[in-house]
Amino acid sequence: GEDVEQSLFLSVREGDSSVINCTYTDSSSTYLYWYKQEPGAGLQLLTYIFSNMDMKQDQRLTVLLNKKDKHLSLRIADTQTGDSAIYFCAEKESGGYQKVTFGTGTKLQVIP
Amino acid sequence: NAGVTQTPKFQVLKTGQSMTLQCAQDMNHEYMSWYRQDPGMGLRLIHYSVGAGITDQGEVPNGYNVSRSTTEDFPLRLLSAAPSQTSVYFCASSYSRSSGRINEQFFGPGTRLTVL
Repeated sequence: GEDVEQSLFLSVREGDSSVINCTYTDSSSTYLYWYKQEPGAGLQLLTYIFSNMDMKQDQRLTVLLNKKDKHLSLRIADTQTGDSAIYFCAEKESGGYQKVTFGTGTKLQVIP
Repeated sequence: NAGVTQTPKFQVLKTGQSMTLQCAQDMNHEYMSWYRQDPGMGLRLIHYSVGAGITDQGEVPNGYNVSRSTTEDFPLRLLSAAPSQTSVYFCASSYSRSSGRINEQFFGPGTRLTVL
């Protein structure tokens, strides 16, 4: 079945860039997502990328997709303390229910 | 719109007790799902529904039942609670694939369940 993997923890200094990485296994994925979970809350969609794109930029966020290696990354420029959260990578399979599979989540800690 | 609402926010059960976690959405979404979140394991799909009257099992369905009598509501029942069901439970909803949308999932705030 599908598998989505992420490292569990990342610590960066305020103002630096953060790069959160994700690998997935389903080559037929149609969309790949990044969700953000703040403490005590549910997940919220941060950004997404179509599987036929290599890169997407949205203000401070840059998503890179390497389909050959099945690798997805999220870069946050000028990281702020408000960016401290858990970030989940997710992929949507094609066909049927189009189930979304989530990764384990990466906890980003921003040090002032 | 209230979005996706879940009740209760917190619950403590004793082993063997049963209870229902409530979930409702007011966005007329066809798809609804239940996930559990455990440390280091991400979100695991318990059950899902593609519309009223239709439900199916996800990755970890054992010990849970669901029903979907209306588009808005998707309750999750724990039949006989076990300590292994201690977790944070999230309900989510999304549009159908025929809408042409990106299938963004909208999550409720979660229910934190402890089984003693």
